[in-house]
Amino acid sequence: QQPVQSPQAVILREGEDAVINCSSSKALYSVHWYRQKHGEAPVFLMILLKGGEQKGHDKISASFNEKKQQSSLYLTASQLSYSGTYFCGTATSGTYKYIFGTGTRLKVLA
Amino acid sequence: DGGITQSPKYLFRKEGQNVTLSCEQNLNHDAMYWYRQDPGQGLRLIYYSQIVNDFQKGDIAEGYSVSREKKESFPLTVTSAQKNPTAFYLCASSIVGGAGNQPQHFGDGTRLSIL
Repeated sequence: QQPVQSPQAVILREGEDAVINCSSSKALYSVHWYRQKHGEAPVFLMILLKGGEQKGHDKISASFNEKKQQSSLYLTASQLSYSGTYFCGTATSGTYKYIFGTGTRLKVLA
Repeated sequence: DGGITQSPKYLFRKEGQNVTLSCEQNLNHDAMYWYRQDPGQGLRLIYYSQIVNDFQKGDIAEGYSVSREKKESFPLTVTSAQKNPTAFYLCASSIVGGAGNQPQHFGDGTRLSIL
């Protein structure tokens, strides 16, 4: 079953923060985050593995709550370049099959 | 530079016709994937392959077929049985490490439309 992302869409002003959530009904081994610009290929952001770790890259970070089977992506001090659609991709233990979430459209305005 | 090449960028299919989308990678990745993306939707898995001469169905395999005769290549055929083929098709590859802990690298996609 496809992971559910929330919110479906968000509009920010430059410098504002945003949180995108990804929830699964299945026990997860890992969560991947990708950003896709319109008409382009998704670009990998980060992977979080089972264990509840938190990762960061520049002003984008993420966490993985194993108990809730939920991951959150945090974008701080957003920039215009952050605009795009964010997808979480999930994998369960023992499989190479990834299931992608429904997507969150994010637009950053000047 | 290493990467994934998908061709063609745009493809038009006539009714009752089979068409093949090409995906080639020079990243030396063992695993390859095909996804379908409809407007405003997420990515749905069509087929995936972890090793040459082996592949598995994803969630929406009906009306599609694949082959994996070489490590670098994973072509997707959209058959006439796929009644609604209009979509953006993405090919991806990854290292086969521990299951689920390797990032996927995507090609630039093929946009397929019905004439």
